[in-house]
Amino acid sequence: EPEVTQTPSHQVTQMGQEVILRCVPISNHLYFYWYRQILGQKVEFLVSFYNNEISEKSEIFDDQFSVERPDGSNFTLKIRSTKLEDSAMYFCASSERVGPYNEQFFGPGTRLTVL
Amino acid sequence: SQELEQSPQSLIVQEGKNLTINCTSSKTLYGLYWYKQKYGEGLIFLMMLQKGGEEKSHEKITAKLDEKKQQSSLHITASQPSHAGIYLCGADRNGKLIFGQGTTLQVKP
Repeated sequence: EPEVTQTPSHQVTQMGQEVILRCVPISNHLYFYWYRQILGQKVEFLVSFYNNEISEKSEIFDDQFSVERPDGSNFTLKIRSTKLEDSAMYFCASSERVGPYNEQFFGPGTRLTVL
Repeated sequence: SQELEQSPQSLIVQEGKNLTINCTSSKTLYGLYWYKQKYGEGLIFLMMLQKGGEEKSHEKITAKLDEKKQQSSLHITASQPSHAGIYLCGADRNGKLIFGQGTTLQVKP
C-alpha cells in the first residue's frame, strides 16, 4: 500500500541552525501539506502546496519557513533559523485532489528538538 | 473557543466495553474525518463522512455525522487494547484540515 514517508524520524538541532525536513508523498498525489504538533497540543496546519506554489499558509508559516519540491518525488520544509518554540512533531501529508471529501494521507512525522 | 471540540478529552475503559467520542464543530461541516494517532507517531486515517446522516463502519468502529447539529460521533464496540490511542476529528476548511484537540483512549485489559 502506498504511503507517505518522512526523514529523519528525529532531528536535534541547536537554536539558530537551519533544518530541512524531507517528505516523499504518494506518487500520484498532486497536493502536499505540512502540519505540526507541539507536544500536548493540537495538530496545526502550516502550509499547502500545489503545482510548485504555495496554495495557502497559516500565520505560523512566517519568513523563517519555506517549502520546496526539488525534484519529482521529494517535498521539503526548511526552517532557516530555528527557535526553541519550533520544537514539535512535523507531519507531511498528501492528497490526490483538494477540497472537501479528499483524504489526506499523513506521514509518520519528524520529531524536531531545538536546544 | 475551539472550532472543533472533542469530548471527552480522555477516556479509560475496561476491555470489552463500548465507548463513544464526540466532535462538535462551531462552523458548517462539509466533511468530517476521523484519524487515530499513537503517542508520538503519525496519523492513521479511519473514516471520512460526507453527508448528514451518513454512518460508516470499519471493524468495530462506527462513525456518524449529524450535519444539522454539526456533530460527529465515533463509537467503538467491545473495545480492545489495540484501540488505545488518540482519536482526532478533522474538518476540511478550503483544502486544509482543522483538527480537534484529540481524545486519549486507554483500554484496560
